Amino acid sequence: AQSVSQHNHHVILSEAASLELGCNYSYGGTVNLFWYVQYPGQHLQLLLKYFSGDPLVKGIKGFEAEFIKSKFSFNLRKPSVQWSDTAEYFCACLTGGSYIPTFGRGTSLIVHP
Amino acid sequence: NAGVTQTPKFRVLKTGQSMTLLCAQDMNHEYMYWYRQDPGMGLRLIHYSVGEGTTAKGEVPDGYNVSRLKKQNFLLGLESAAPSQTSVYFCASRRGTRSSYNEQFFGPGTRLTVL
Repeated sequence: AQSVSQHNHHVILSEAASLELGCNYSYGGTVNLFWYVQYPGQHLQLLLKYFSGDPLVKGIKGFEAEFIKSKFSFNLRKPSVQWSDTAEYFCACLTGGSYIPTFGRGTSLIVHP
Repeated sequence: NAGVTQTPKFRVLKTGQSMTLLCAQDMNHEYMYWYRQDPGMGLRLIHYSVGEGTTAKGEVPDGYNVSRLKKQNFLLGLESAAPSQTSVYFCASRRGTRSSYNEQFFGPGTRLTVL
């Protein structure tokens, strides 16, 4: 069965620091990859997604992610975080034709002002 | 469009009571999902549906039932609530299998406490 690993469970940064959250998936075929963000007390919202083409994907609020097929990775990056980026971040993988996305366990990001 | 809505937002039950959570979407999506979210556990899939009249079990289906009588609605039922079902429940919908439409849209959640 496919799996998604998010190695950083808790990340604490100061404002203006750079961010990179790791995501690795286990499926070897065609995949669609997603990063969702959940702000405190809210529901999950899509940050960005990859399904084909340019492996560097830009999302909302200055986030980007790079799909590296050889490493089965889809790491999320932001050059300079803000206090408002404090949230839980989930990586998800959907294989071609599948009904069910596989989610990682999430990374809790706290940004100190 | 309202997107995905959930009713109720909060509920407190006593052990053994029953209740139904309602999820509605106005995007004409084929697929719908129910998840529960617990601290440190991420999202766990309870049940899902790939079309009107169809349902299937997810990762943690025990103690829950679902129905999808209308395309826009997906109901989650707890027949006899247990404290272990205290959680935040999220509904999600998705348009279909073509890549451009693969993202899920989530509802605002229902916070359920079982005493």
